[in-house]
Amino acid sequence: GAGVSQTPSNKVTEKGKYVELRCDPISGHTALYWYRQSLGQGPEFLIYFQGTGAADDSGLPNDRFFAVRPEGSVSTLKIQRTERGDSAVYLCASSSRWDTEAFFGQGTRLTVV
Amino acid sequence: AQKVTQAQTEISVVEKEDVTLDCVYETRDTTYYLFWYKQPPSGELVFLIRRNSFDEQNEISGRYSWNFQKSTSSFNFTITASQVVDSAVYFCLGGKLIFGQGTELSVKP
Repeated sequence: GAGVSQTPSNKVTEKGKYVELRCDPISGHTALYWYRQSLGQGPEFLIYFQGTGAADDSGLPNDRFFAVRPEGSVSTLKIQRTERGDSAVYLCASSSRWDTEAFFGQGTRLTVV
Repeated sequence: AQKVTQAQTEISVVEKEDVTLDCVYETRDTTYYLFWYKQPPSGELVFLIRRNSFDEQNEISGRYSWNFQKSTSSFNFTITASQVVDSAVYFCLGGKLIFGQGTELSVKP
């Protein structure tokens, strides 16, 4: 596609449930990033993929969060046993290389009730 | 540890004024990249400019200009002749992973 696509755009889930957030990067981009942004804050880094592998997952807050990118294109961020504190906008970005600018999707607004 | 500091939380200017947004990036890396992004009320982050650490030339692109000084770790961004459409939150990004807290720019007519 022309840009980074994230689905769903909005997700409301009950506390304790499992959710998956999807990111379709720009075609050909090898680097993919996940961030989350709370209201009034800057985006917070979660994980960075180079190809299929996670090059840096130091931002994942705990073991309830996991992300995959099995074929080096689409990525899925998975959150188990959701908590109200997980509510945020989850942003995905991709870039052609590590040293080039990243382009962001519209984000998925996750609300845990 | 890496850190990005945007000391200005909010800036308000009147249309046509020039405005400079400040950013300080602290890192032990000798080679790194810095970026500025704009987040309008619609929410999507929009890439503005990119700078690498080994090039300290100031640059101008249209109404945007930027000043990078490695000695002070500062990467400042200036909008000349601001317009109402420039109203947004501006984020500095260091090394691709660390965002600052953002500066909310309000340009009034």
